Amino acid sequence: DAGITQSPRHKVTETGTPVTLRCHQTENHRYMYWYRQDPGHGLRLIHYSYGVKDTDKGEVSDGYSVSRSKTEDFLLTLESATSSQTSVYFCAISVEQGAKEQYFGPGTRLTVT
Amino acid sequence: KNEVEQSPQNLTAQEGEFITINCSYSVGISALHWLQQHPGGGIVSLFMLSSGKKKHGRLIATINIQEKHSSLHITASHPRDSAVYICAVLEGGGADGLTFGKGTHLIIQP
Repeated sequence: DAGITQSPRHKVTETGTPVTLRCHQTENHRYMYWYRQDPGHGLRLIHYSYGVKDTDKGEVSDGYSVSRSKTEDFLLTLESATSSQTSVYFCAISVEQGAKEQYFGPGTRLTVT
Repeated sequence: KNEVEQSPQNLTAQEGEFITINCSYSVGISALHWLQQHPGGGIVSLFMLSSGKKKHGRLIATINIQEKHSSLHITASHPRDSAVYICAVLEGGGADGLTFGKGTHLIIQP
């Protein structure tokens, strides 16, 4: 299994509070991704990173920001959590862009009340 | 934006049956992934295809680039194959992640 961990694995928070999710990899892969998974929508890309300090927006980036100060860590921040951000969040990594496998972390279940 | 459609959405079959899950997409791609998500939630990559056919154990994946269609087959299905199977596509050479289908929920009954 690829060395990807996510923390926390579960979190309940209140509307309006900031939340940061962490993805940590030990594979030294260049590309990292944050997805959210919701019933009826499947997985959708929030943000991705193609190197340290290099990030870009995905399909559903509104309300989220990311940072990558080290190769191994990719942080997803909800500046002011809303109930619509209740979801399961998956991090994924890839050794390079293009037609290469992505390896997924175990997921973080976030509930915003 | 690529539209990825999977069929069927739900499938219940008996142990031993041959299973086929289909995936179609609307825009040309550089690669297609089949993923498996077990009830515990973890996602595992099964195959990555850009052409032709791949086989791993009882799983076979095929892709027809001209028809924008892929199939995942499971031979001699087993209850441990029960999971959600997800098709995902990668467009061009960009780093911007995968576009996913909504998944096929497969249940294999003993």
